[in-house]
Amino acid sequence: EDQVTQSPEALRLQEGESSSLNCSYTVSGLRGLFWYRQDPGKGPEFLFTLYSAGEEKEKERLKATLTKKESFLHITAPKPEDSATYLCAVQAAGNNRKLIWGLGTSLAVNP
Amino acid sequence: EAGVTQSPTHLIKTRGQQATLRCSPISGHTSVYWYQQALGLGLQFLLWYDEGEERNRGNFPPRFSGRQFPNYSSELNVNALELEDSALYLCASRGSTGSQAFFGQGTRLTVV
Repeated sequence: EDQVTQSPEALRLQEGESSSLNCSYTVSGLRGLFWYRQDPGKGPEFLFTLYSAGEEKEKERLKATLTKKESFLHITAPKPEDSATYLCAVQAAGNNRKLIWGLGTSLAVNP
Repeated sequence: EAGVTQSPTHLIKTRGQQATLRCSPISGHTSVYWYQQALGLGLQFLLWYDEGEERNRGNFPPRFSGRQFPNYSSELNVNALELEDSALYLCASRGSTGSQAFFGQGTRLTVV
């Protein structure tokens, strides 16, 4: 069964303390892996798409990487405004375009 | 370019009533996804529409239904509302397969 697992469930960092969030997936052929940021009570905001192992994408303090089994979202020198829930989703190969979502990592960055 | 728009922003209903939520996708996007997100929980897949057809549905009872119109906008209907239906309902649209989904800001449904 296709599955996405995110860890840790929650993470608390001090401002400037770099860390990584993990998204492990089990799918029958990866069509794409997507990272989103969600603020409380709002819709998820798209961050990155990764398609193949070895691919990397960067945006400000965020960098996403992909292997054949997992993806990491690295946060370098985070600021309080990076506090949010980070969601990962995958699409398996095939005709079904259903997105499979992880439960997210809730990140809190203290000043 | 306009993003995904959802209406209403907030909706308060009484148990047993019906609720109708609306979603307008990004221009050119043919796929619309509906999700339920209860407070503090993850995204629960409800329904997926593409080219006017229902393509997949999640593990929700039949009182959750919807449709997609010829202009690709979509409507989610929830009949016989229960207290547990209180949640943020999110709509997302996608263009081609493999592309990212874009979300609206959601409809906060409260059942009292």
